[in-house]
Amino acid sequence: QLQLQESGPGLVKPSETLSLTCTVSGGSITNSRYFWGWIRQPPGKGLEWIGSIYYSGTIYYNPSLKSRITLSVDTSKNQFSLKLRSVTAADTAVYYCTRDITLDYWGLGTLVTVSS
Amino acid sequence: DIQMTQSPSAMSASVGDRVTITCRASQDIGNYLAWFQQKPGKVPKRLIYASSSLQSGVPSRFSGSGSGTEFTLTISSLQPEDFATYYCLQHNSYPSTFGQGTRLEIK
Repeated sequence: QLQLQESGPGLVKPSETLSLTCTVSGGSITNSRYFWGWIRQPPGKGLEWIGSIYYSGTIYYNPSLKSRITLSVDTSKNQFSLKLRSVTAADTAVYYCTRDITLDYWGLGTLVTVSS
Repeated sequence: DIQMTQSPSAMSASVGDRVTITCRASQDIGNYLAWFQQKPGKVPKRLIYASSSLQSGVPSRFSGSGSGTEFTLTISSLQPEDFATYYCLQHNSYPSTFGQGTRLEIK
């Protein structure tokens, strides 16, 4: 059974960089059928698509975040990662990692709070 | 970006009711639409993909329809466990975009 697990700091200071990693188990991140991606949800609000990455390096970003985000893949560890620079309180959210553009599998999510 | 407009944003209904939620796209997205259910504090769960294909394990009382710019999610007979927030997602073109959500509450 495929599982995705987010990891990273739960608290980030304003203006710093949020870094999260998603570890995939029960399947290979190099499966040619799938993109891997990130979704976030601010407390009490709706879902926002952040971006998707293919294991070979093709990446799609949400234009609203494009200037601040970097997605990467580490096939040797079966992981993919998100970096979001220059964070503000508006970036406080639960961050989910997902499989496929249709979001068929989700991690449990991790709450990242931006606060000094 | 393609805008997804869900309606209603909130509704109340009773167990056994038939419920329909609508999602309208700002441009043609074919059938590249999925529906998700999210309960408080839980991970969103995919119910429907490709507009009308039922996710394995999802009860048959859930159905989806539509193509182009107008889509519906129907729950044929509401059960207590169906009270949740529902989101549509278009993935026809990047960036993928969600509807704002429909909160379904008990009447």
